[in-house]
Amino acid sequence: DAGVIQSPRHEVTEMGQEVTLRCKPISGHDYLFWYRQTMMRGLELLIYFNNNVPIDDSGMPEDRFSAKMPNASFSTLKIQPSEPRDSAVYFCASSQVRGYTFGSGTRLTVV
Amino acid sequence: GENVEQHPSTLSVQEGDSAVIKCTYSDSASNYFPWYKQELGKRPQLIIDIRSNVGEKKDQRIAVTLNKTAKHFSLHITETQPEDSAVYFCAASILGGGADGLTFGKGTHLIIQP
Repeated sequence: DAGVIQSPRHEVTEMGQEVTLRCKPISGHDYLFWYRQTMMRGLELLIYFNNNVPIDDSGMPEDRFSAKMPNASFSTLKIQPSEPRDSAVYFCASSQVRGYTFGSGTRLTVV
Repeated sequence: GENVEQHPSTLSVQEGDSAVIKCTYSDSASNYFPWYKQELGKRPQLIIDIRSNVGEKKDQRIAVTLNKTAKHFSLHITETQPEDSAVYFCAASILGGGADGLTFGKGTHLIIQP
């Protein structure tokens, strides 16, 4: 199994642009999580899905952030419009009620 | 919601000595407590976890202890080696095992001095 796959690995964008981060969970895992990591705030849970349904989005910082999971093998996290304070590493993780596997992350820089 | 405090933020130990990292949590409903190791530029990786029905768990040089009454848990690494240098995160969740989200501590940068 290739593990949790995230793309792109690095993204540099200008303030105000739309950014879309992508995640492919491990096949058969029915939970998917999006986390954000910054020096100041550490690792924060943004949202998670169970069987493609959003369960808890209380960590989504504001309306500029949205996440979807149209099917069991794909999820997106979108930021529109992006701001410099959104610069962070965004991790996706999946699980099957036996522990979490993290992807390699997307390093987002908003200039 | 849950709040996890982690100490120290930086820990420097001599190679071969032991290292201890401590965490406290606020939500008494939390039942699952994993520890993650993150090397620079890499993803967090699970190194050990413990559930609330167990007081201690060991895996070779790594052990975790849990005190549910005091709401704190600790990571112990014995006979430290250079490859143990990394940032370690504690976390807590209610359901555990991947069925709900993790609340993380802020991390401990462990430095192993040769």
